[in-house]
Amino acid sequence: SQQGEEDPQALSIQEGENATMNCSYKTSINNLQWYRQNSGRGLVHLILIRSNEREKHSGRLRVTLDTSKKSSSLLITASRAADTASYFCATDLSNSGYALNFGKGTSLLVTP
Amino acid sequence: DTGVSQDPRHKITKRGQNVTFRCDPISEHNRLYWYRQTLGQGPEFLTYFQNEAQLEKSRLLSDRFSAERPKGSFSTLEIQRTEQGDSAMYLCASSLGSQQYFGPGTRLTVT
Repeated sequence: SQQGEEDPQALSIQEGENATMNCSYKTSINNLQWYRQNSGRGLVHLILIRSNEREKHSGRLRVTLDTSKKSSSLLITASRAADTASYFCATDLSNSGYALNFGKGTSLLVTP
Repeated sequence: DTGVSQDPRHKITKRGQNVTFRCDPISEHNRLYWYRQTLGQGPEFLTYFQNEAQLEKSRLLSDRFSAERPKGSFSTLEIQRTEQGDSAMYLCASSLGSQQYFGPGTRLTVT
């Protein structure tokens, strides 16, 4: 079963606007990652945040983690049409090395 | 670009046939993972290897699924007696640590 649940399922914005996606999970984690998947392409790692971190930045991406609420958010600032993709949060599966448990994803559409 | 590669990219097979997919990981990565992704869902973990050892296979979907990594390099995923419900994208990933690098996937269609 998938642990992460992203919200919203779909998001449509215009270029230049910010996009915020949320992820909730059920069990304790060591870290949480966000991945992007473009149509027809593989998954690309965006950012990893460890359980003892509260916020992390990478370029136009900002990720927050609230372990008390078992939730994370991904903010993409000044969005571009090229940001159109599905975004997944993933948590580590216990006793499975670094195997990941993905949510269902948020489908983001950025229109020019 | 020496990323993760998968072959074939697409496979159409008839129900009941066996299929085998290949994954070539990034060369220095010791961990290799297989996932399945169906439409509208996130990837679902199937199995993983550390070098040639398969350390987790309880999440393989049924005993029709098996995977190997004979020399700790490339890996194969075999599905025997395919069913229509096996139609999905099969993703391979490799890693040294927490960050995984995914291949483009093999899209399987069972008719």
